[in-house]
Amino acid sequence: EIVLTQSPGTLSLSPGERATLSCRASQSVSSSYLAWYQQKPGQAPRLLIYGASSRATGIPDRFSGSGSGTDFTLTISRLEPEDFAVYYCQQYGSSPLAFGGGTKVEIK
Amino acid sequence: QVQLVQSGAEVKKPGSSVKVSCKASGGTFSSYAISWVRQAPGQGLEWMGGIIPIFGTANYAQKFQGRVTITADESTSTAYMELSSLRSEDTAVYYCARGLEMATHLVPFDYWGQGTLVTVSS
Repeated sequence: EIVLTQSPGTLSLSPGERATLSCRASQSVSSSYLAWYQQKPGQAPRLLIYGASSRATGIPDRFSGSGSGTDFTLTISRLEPEDFAVYYCQQYGSSPLAFGGGTKVEIK
Repeated sequence: QVQLVQSGAEVKKPGSSVKVSCKASGGTFSSYAISWVRQAPGQGLEWMGGIIPIFGTANYAQKFQGRVTITADESTSTAYMELSSLRSEDTAVYYCARGLEMATHLVPFDYWGQGTLVTVSS
């Protein structure tokens, strides 16, 4: 079973800054089946990125994903006030599906 | 527009069972996997298992094997998750979520229910 480790645990940044979030897998993720989600307090997660780099419907282009194999990155080019939230990666290339522990992006 | 509407909050005693429902509307129910994901208070997301209604068989995470049963009723477009032998550590928000693509469990989730809080307490 694949274990996903996200870093850092917390990222303190100001609006307008660039955010770089990391997700590392314990073994290679098949076909880059790696997704990213955003979750705000009291809400369900929202799909941002799938297939490592494809944006989901309606997701702004300031969100981008990259990576393959065991190392993946979510980049938010310029943080907007609504982007401060917790972000999770998920691998869906093999069962059991798995999520990382999350990275909280907070306002500095 | 696809919507997943879950049943309401539950308070259960240790050792009992809980059954949470997830009613889908606005899309094709039978061909897409419905998974259940839980989130303990202040914690991350945990996949429990899923079902593709048209196939009828469920796929479970090893951790929950023997304690969770996921079913689906195509006639009402509703999926169910039943968790038995509840303990305090099962206190969590339980989400249903629909797979992005048809006919496979190996999918990300593009639609989510609103979540159902299950509290296990004596």
